[in-house]
Amino acid sequence: GNSVTQMEGPVTLSEEAFLTINCTYTATGYPSLFWYVQYPGEGLQLLLKATKADDKGSNKGFEATYRKETTSFHLEKGSVQVSDSAVYFCALSDNDYKLSFGAGTTVTVRA
Amino acid sequence: DAGITQSPRHKVTETGTPVTLRCHQTENHRYMYWYRQDPGHGLRLIHYSYGVKDTDKGEVSDGYSVSRSKTEDFLLTLESATSSQTSVYFCAINDPGESNYGYTFGSGTRLTVV
Repeated sequence: GNSVTQMEGPVTLSEEAFLTINCTYTATGYPSLFWYVQYPGEGLQLLLKATKADDKGSNKGFEATYRKETTSFHLEKGSVQVSDSAVYFCALSDNDYKLSFGAGTTVTVRA
Repeated sequence: DAGITQSPRHKVTETGTPVTLRCHQTENHRYMYWYRQDPGHGLRLIHYSYGVKDTDKGEVSDGYSVSRSKTEDFLLTLESATSSQTSVYFCAINDPGESNYGYTFGSGTRLTVV
């Protein structure tokens, strides 16, 4: 079956630091890959996505590249801000039109 | 995002009582989903629907039932609530025919079973 593994948190950073959250997946087909973000007390928002190998998703300074050879979709941001403090979820969707999520990574950015 | 709303936003109920959560969409999307969010588990799929009266189980469906009598509404029922069902419940919608191929989530329902 499909599964997503992402690095455990929590992650604490200083403002302007570089952020990486690792995500690897297992899928039977050729999935689409997503990063969702959940700010405190809110629902999930789509941050970025990639639908095929070597695609790069980007949004709000975040980037992730779909690497089929390593079955990975790592999230990166070059300079984080306090407002980036949130829980980040890696997810995949296969031909079954269902999202499978990783456990989530809590990121706290300190001023 | 007004395209999907969940009700109620918060609920406290007693063990053994039935509870129904509602998800309403205005996007005319074919697929609707119910997830639960628990620390350390991310979001796990409870049930989903791929059309009116067409539903199927997810990975954590025991103790839950769903109904979809019209496109816009997807109801989740806890038949006899237990403390293990204390969680935050999220509804999501999706239409694979859309070019952006994205899932949109509601704001969540925080359910406490005492």
